[in-house]
Amino acid sequence: GQNIDQPTEMTATEGAIVQINCTYQTSGFNGLFWYQQHAGEAPTFLSYNVLDGLEEKGRFSSFLSRSKGYSYLLLKELQMKDSASYLCAVRLNYGGSQGNLIFGKGTKLSVKP
Amino acid sequence: NAGVTQTPKFQVLKTGQSMTLQCAQDMNHEYMSWYRQDPGMGLRLIHYSVGAGITDQGEVPNGYNVSRSTTEDFPLRLLSAAPSQTSVYFCASMAGSEQYFGPGTRLTVT
Repeated sequence: GQNIDQPTEMTATEGAIVQINCTYQTSGFNGLFWYQQHAGEAPTFLSYNVLDGLEEKGRFSSFLSRSKGYSYLLLKELQMKDSASYLCAVRLNYGGSQGNLIFGKGTKLSVKP
Repeated sequence: NAGVTQTPKFQVLKTGQSMTLQCAQDMNHEYMSWYRQDPGMGLRLIHYSVGAGITDQGEVPNGYNVSRSTTEDFPLRLLSAAPSQTSVYFCASMAGSEQYFGPGTRLTVT
């Protein structure tokens, strides 16, 4: 079976740094995605990791360790607008050349003043 | 570019009714998919397509049909709506390392 775990909720303070963890156990692996989803809206793409290591994109960074089945999303200099759900998703090896995505249940981040 | 579009945005159905959720993309992506999102459950894959004329089942396909006659369009049909199908439905298309979601359809079945 496929299993992706991430914390249900997190709270952080404006201006701080927060790390959202994701662990996965899947039958295949062809990359890990992070998405941001504001309430009532569609998910939007944040990052993609297929090799081990850290990918940095502005205030957001994402890390992957394939041997440990582990990823994290790091958000720096938190802003109120970062209050949203963050979704971790693993791309499997099947589903054509693109591969199907399996999503975790999401982490709801609340940023407080 | 419009990206991925979905219609309608909201829909209320009675149990047993059928309907089609429309999805279209203008990015010439081969891969398209349908998800449903329920509180506490995350996004779950219903059906997907790797190109025109090719579709396959995802994690939760029961009660839904799809077809892919063109690269652009990927409609989702509810054959006989049930209250358990009350959910938010997202269509998505993918190329390379990015997946683009449509704005979603909020469906209520009474």
